[in-house]
Amino acid sequence: GEDVEQSLFLSVREGDSSVINCTYTDSSSTYLYWYKQEPGAGLQLLTYIFSNMDMKQDQRLTVLLNKKDKHLSLRIADTQTGDSAIYFCAESGNQGGKLIFGQGTELSVKP
Amino acid sequence: DTAVSQTPKYLVTQMGNDKSIKCEQNLGHDTMYWYKQDSKKFLKIMFSYNNKELIINETVPNRFSPKSPDKAHLNLHINSLELGDSAVYFCASSQGVEAFFGQGTRLTVV
Repeated sequence: GEDVEQSLFLSVREGDSSVINCTYTDSSSTYLYWYKQEPGAGLQLLTYIFSNMDMKQDQRLTVLLNKKDKHLSLRIADTQTGDSAIYFCAESGNQGGKLIFGQGTELSVKP
Repeated sequence: DTAVSQTPKYLVTQMGNDKSIKCEQNLGHDTMYWYKQDSKKFLKIMFSYNNKELIINETVPNRFSPKSPDKAHLNLHINSLELGDSAVYFCASSQGVEAFFGQGTRLTVV
């Protein structure tokens, strides 16, 4: 079945780059997403990438997709304390909203 | 103006009770969803409605009954609440690729 895996924790120092990794099993995934969840809050869509792309950049965020290895990563440049949150990787088919989520990676940014 | 809004934000209730969570979206989207986030933060889809019609039901117990009076609203009614129903329930809507989530309803069954 469909499965999305992420490591559970990542700790970085303020100003460093963070790289959060994700692997997925469904080769028919059409879109891959990164969502951010701050404590006690909802899910905020950060960015997404279409499966025929290999990179997408949006300000401090860079998404890399290796479709052959079914590997997705999110790089946050110049990580700030406000970036501390749980980051969820998700994949979907053609219908954008039915999302299969990873377990979430808790990013901790130390001053 | 909140795009996807859920009420209540917190709900504490006793086992065996029946409760409802309401969701409204003002984005004009055709499709709405309910997701459940458990205590380990794992998120899983429960239901999806497209223009008031059920299109996804992910083997959720039939104590859970979604109701969509119109395409801007998708409510979740839960009968005979159990301890294991304690979770955060998220409503979402989408039109195409992007899905937008509400702030969540934290349900605690005691």
